[in-house]
Amino acid sequence: GAVVSQHPSRVICKSGTSVKIECRSLDFQATTMFWYRQFPKKSLMLMATSNEGSKATYEQGVEKDKFLINHASLTLSTLTVTSAHPEDSSFYICSASGRGNEQFFGPGTRLTVL
Amino acid sequence: AQSVAQPEDQVNVAEGNPLTVKCTYSVSGNPYLFWYVQYPNRGLQFLLKYITGDNLVKGSYGFEAEFNKSQTSFHLKKPSALVSDSALYFCAVRESIAGRRALTFGSGTRLQVQP
Repeated sequence: GAVVSQHPSRVICKSGTSVKIECRSLDFQATTMFWYRQFPKKSLMLMATSNEGSKATYEQGVEKDKFLINHASLTLSTLTVTSAHPEDSSFYICSASGRGNEQFFGPGTRLTVL
Repeated sequence: AQSVAQPEDQVNVAEGNPLTVKCTYSVSGNPYLFWYVQYPNRGLQFLLKYITGDNLVKGSYGFEAEFNKSQTSFHLKKPSALVSDSALYFCAVRESIAGRRALTFGSGTRLQVQP
């Protein structure tokens, strides 16, 4: 199956700093990428959908100025958590989709804000 | 709106016994249904999907799932469980219409296989 990578896999930062997470589709062109957030022992909650070359569509309750998403190419989307606070600590997972029905998930990024 | 219900937080089964992880869904049109498995601190791994065709879908690692339209269910099954199957399992759905392609996930079911 297709491979999606995320970088970094784990990041610890101080409160007030910004953190960028990269999501790359390694062997296919991802027309759409999705960003999910997973709290401990909870399900995945969709944060936003991004299509290459256009602005991301955010789910209700997700602050677009807080979680900046850029999908500049068909193989790369980035999520920047701006002015991070401890409540932003979570497991962030991206997925990528080409022209088919399937989404391919990245391995996730564990963000810890001190 | 689409939704998924996984009624069991945890399923316990002895190694070698059959296992079932339940999932029911709600969509306004025809569903695309998926099962994913997640190991600790890892992303989701795809197990199987139903798009159209045979109601019984076979997937990775010996898992299968049966689509039941009248009961709006898509239960995950395996004839003989392995200890290594212990993980968190998510059922997901999306509508088959073009446009919104994001998945809606169930709350997850933790499978514990005892040796």
